[in-house]
Amino acid sequence: QKEVEQNSGPLSVPEGAIASLNCTYSDRGSQSFFWYRQYSGKSPELIMSIYSNGDKEDGRFTAQLNKASQYVSLLIRDSQPSDSATYLCAVPHGSSNTGKLIFGQGTTLQVKP
Amino acid sequence: NAGVMQNPRHLVRRRGQEARLRCSPMKGHSHVYWYRQLPEEGLKFMVYLQKENIIDESGMPKERFSAEFPKEGPSILRIQQVVRGDSAAYFCASSPSRDENIQYFGAGTRLSVL
Repeated sequence: QKEVEQNSGPLSVPEGAIASLNCTYSDRGSQSFFWYRQYSGKSPELIMSIYSNGDKEDGRFTAQLNKASQYVSLLIRDSQPSDSATYLCAVPHGSSNTGKLIFGQGTTLQVKP
Repeated sequence: NAGVMQNPRHLVRRRGQEARLRCSPMKGHSHVYWYRQLPEEGLKFMVYLQKENIIDESGMPKERFSAEFPKEGPSILRIQQVVRGDSAAYFCASSPSRDENIQYFGAGTRLSVL
């Protein structure tokens, strides 16, 4: 089992719809979770961090964390073509927080105008 | 406040040459991480450094790769005797501390080995 798993997609949604991106992780002791966005040929850009169970909202983005199910998701409301990118879920390796981030393979999102 | 600075942005080397990639962390950040992204693959951790110390190098290939973060100057990722399989994007990230582990990425260095 991979440490951090994401559906590679592509996930295609129409403009204005809600995009739902999912991530599961294997280390039950993980305490922090990050979502990065990566446009083709560019570097990862941090868009959300979440540490507690529940929802965290920032503009059109909502991160949801369920530690019991070892599941973290990212919702993008009112999706725009400019949201088309690969979304990477990242979890620090081990509960001792060694600094090393483990990334999922990423989910490619396509927002159709 | 300048972000994480990496140079060069693109680097072309012939097989057997050396590649040196540089990374200056964000101001106030003393923790540096290097990641590699092979074509069509995910980001893989390579090494984590603080000033003058290697904290975790569990992702570094055993041979030809080394990293340093001297007291003065940028962090350097060095690849000796490059091979075609080293062609990839190499990203550097920095964070203020290990506990505040929000990592910000530089633009990356795209290494092409001919």
